[in-house]
Amino acid sequence: GEQVEQLPSILRVQEGSSASINCSYEDSASNYFPWYKQEPGENPKLIIDIRSNMERKQIQELIVLLDKKAKRFSLHITDTQPGDSAMYFCAANTGGLSGKLTFGEGTQVTVIS
Amino acid sequence: EAAVTQSPRNKVAVTGGKVTLSCNQTNNHNNMYWYRQDTGHGLRLIHYSYGAGSTEKGDIPDGYKASRPSQENFSLILELATPSQTSVYFCASGGARLGGRRYEQYFGPGTRLTVL
Repeated sequence: GEQVEQLPSILRVQEGSSASINCSYEDSASNYFPWYKQEPGENPKLIIDIRSNMERKQIQELIVLLDKKAKRFSLHITDTQPGDSAMYFCAANTGGLSGKLTFGEGTQVTVIS
Repeated sequence: EAAVTQSPRNKVAVTGGKVTLSCNQTNNHNNMYWYRQDTGHGLRLIHYSYGAGSTEKGDIPDGYKASRPSQENFSLILELATPSQTSVYFCASGGARLGGRRYEQYFGPGTRLTVL
């Protein structure tokens, strides 16, 4: 089945700087790549996603890049704030009607004031 | 955002006992999913469903059963609970619906299960 690798597992950044998280996937049929943010004791919340017909998507401070040839995608949080501190997960779908997602192991982001 | 609820929110069970976790969604999503999340790790898919009456095995189905009696409800059943099944369980809904987008999954609040 699909495998998704996510790096780094821990990321500490200064407030106001950028944070970058990288993911890679194996299944060339994957065509949907969401990112979830999870705060302690809470459920994962979808923050941004990208489909395979796009290379770049931005929602406010969040930028997602997709390189289909290399099977890599990344999340960039610009101008980080303390509220951006959380666990972030990338995922890739397996294609077809099931909508199944395979998740990376997560990145714990801490924004230092 | 889709409304997904889970019950109970916390559960303590004994080894060998039967546990049923329930999930309800009110957004008419076709697909529903059960995941477990262990401390510091990602989400792993246990079972999923395409619609009422359908259940499919995910990546880690051993020791779990699922039931989808209606479009709105999806249950996860541990017939003989073991301590290794202590975890946080998340239900999600998503997938195709008339006029809607196809791939997004929305998670419920989670159930913290402890098996003693």
